[in-house]
Amino acid sequence: GENVGLHLPTLSVQEGDNSIINCAYSNSASDYFIWYKQESGKGPQFIIDIRSNMDKRQGQRVTVLLNKTVKHLSLQIAATQPGDSAVYFCAENFPGTYKYIFGTGTRLKVLA
Amino acid sequence: EAQVTQNPRYLITVTGKKLTVTCSQNMNHEYMSWYRQDPGLGLRQIYYSMNVEVTDKGDVPEGYKVSRKEKRNFPLILESPSPNQTSLYFCASSLDGGTYEQYFGPGTRLTVT
Repeated sequence: GENVGLHLPTLSVQEGDNSIINCAYSNSASDYFIWYKQESGKGPQFIIDIRSNMDKRQGQRVTVLLNKTVKHLSLQIAATQPGDSAVYFCAENFPGTYKYIFGTGTRLKVLA
Repeated sequence: EAQVTQNPRYLITVTGKKLTVTCSQNMNHEYMSWYRQDPGLGLRQIYYSMNVEVTDKGDVPEGYKVSRKEKRNFPLILESPSPNQTSLYFCASSLDGGTYEQYFGPGTRLTVT
C-alpha cells in the first residue's frame, strides 16, 4: 500500500477500548473542522465535522470535541475495532477562504 | 457511484518532461482541490477551484498549474517537473468550499527522476 507517513505519532489501543486522537489547530479564527481517516493505499475519507459554534458533536461511535480556548480538537472512537486502524487527520478551514490546513496525522493501531 | 477519479494512479517520469494528472468528479460539486502528501508533512493544498474558471493558490502552488474549464474536471499540470515534486497527489471535491466535507480520489503516486 501507499506509505502515508514514516514518522507519524502512533496510538496503540486494545480492541474494544476507547481511542482519543488529538489535534492542535493553527488559526484561532478557523470556523470549520473535519476529521478524516486514511487507510493504507486509499484517499482520506470523511469521518465527522464540527463548526466553531459547537463544542461537541457525536456520530456513530465517534465524537469530536472542540476547545477553542486552547485551539484543540479531539476525536474519540468508542469500542475501537480492527477496522479503525488507519491514519487520522484533522483539517481546519480559514473563515472567508476556501483553503484547508491539514494536521500531520496520527496512526491508530488496534491490537487484538 | 459517486466518486472522484484520478489518472494515472502511478507515474514515473524524468525532470523537465511536462505531465498532466487528470481529476474528474461525478457529483456536480462546485469545489475541487489538489493536495500533495509527503511523509511527516501531512496533506498540503496546492490549488483549489471554487467553480468553473475560478481557481486560487493553496499553500504550495509553486511548480504547478491548474485549469477548470468544466465543472467535473480539474487537471493538475506540471510544466517542468523536478525531483522535489515526487509525492503522492490527491484530488478532492465538495459541494462548496467552506462548509462541506471533501471527497478524495484514490491518489496518484508521482516519481520524478
